[in-house]
Amino acid sequence: EDQVTQSPEALRLQEGESSSLNCSYTVSGLRGLFWYRQDPGKGPEFLFTLYSAGEEKEKERLKATLTKKESFLHITAPKPEDSATYLCAVQDPGGYNKLIFGAGTRLAVHP
Amino acid sequence: DTAVSQTPKYLVTQMGNDKSIKCEQNLGHDTMYWYKQDSKKFLKIMFSYNNKELIINETVPNRFSPKSPDKAHLNLHINSLELGDSAVYFCASSQPGRGEGYTFGSGTRLTVV
Repeated sequence: EDQVTQSPEALRLQEGESSSLNCSYTVSGLRGLFWYRQDPGKGPEFLFTLYSAGEEKEKERLKATLTKKESFLHITAPKPEDSATYLCAVQDPGGYNKLIFGAGTRLAVHP
Repeated sequence: DTAVSQTPKYLVTQMGNDKSIKCEQNLGHDTMYWYKQDSKKFLKIMFSYNNKELIINETVPNRFSPKSPDKAHLNLHINSLELGDSAVYFCASSQPGRGEGYTFGSGTRLTVV
């Protein structure tokens, strides 16, 4: 069964303390891996799509990377406004653009 | 200017009642979805429509019935509500092939008492 596992469940950082979030997946024939940010009381907000091992994408303090079995979301010098839940999802190989989500990592960045 | 809007934002209702949630997108996307986010924050797909045609129908009780009158609208009707239906329901839309991911609405928090 296709699965997405994120770790850690929760992460507390001091402002400026860089770290990485992990998303490991088991899916045959990856068609796309997605990262989203979700703030409390809001819908997930799209961040990145990665398609093949070795691919990297960046946006401000965030950088997403992809290997054949996992993806990392690196956060460089985080600020309190980066506090959110970060969700990883893979596109179901069965088609129809269905996404399978992980449970997310709750990130708290303290001043 | 909202891209995907759903109403209501909060819904508190008694067991056994019937309720509806409405969703509209102004992005011109062909595909719309309903996802359920449970108390552990897992997002799980329920239904998907592509240009008014049902294309994904996951294992969901048949008390849940989606309806898409046109490709910009997707509604969710729930009959005979149960305590276990309490969750946040998200509508989303996407244009397959663009690699942009979904655009989500802000969610409807359903509480069944």
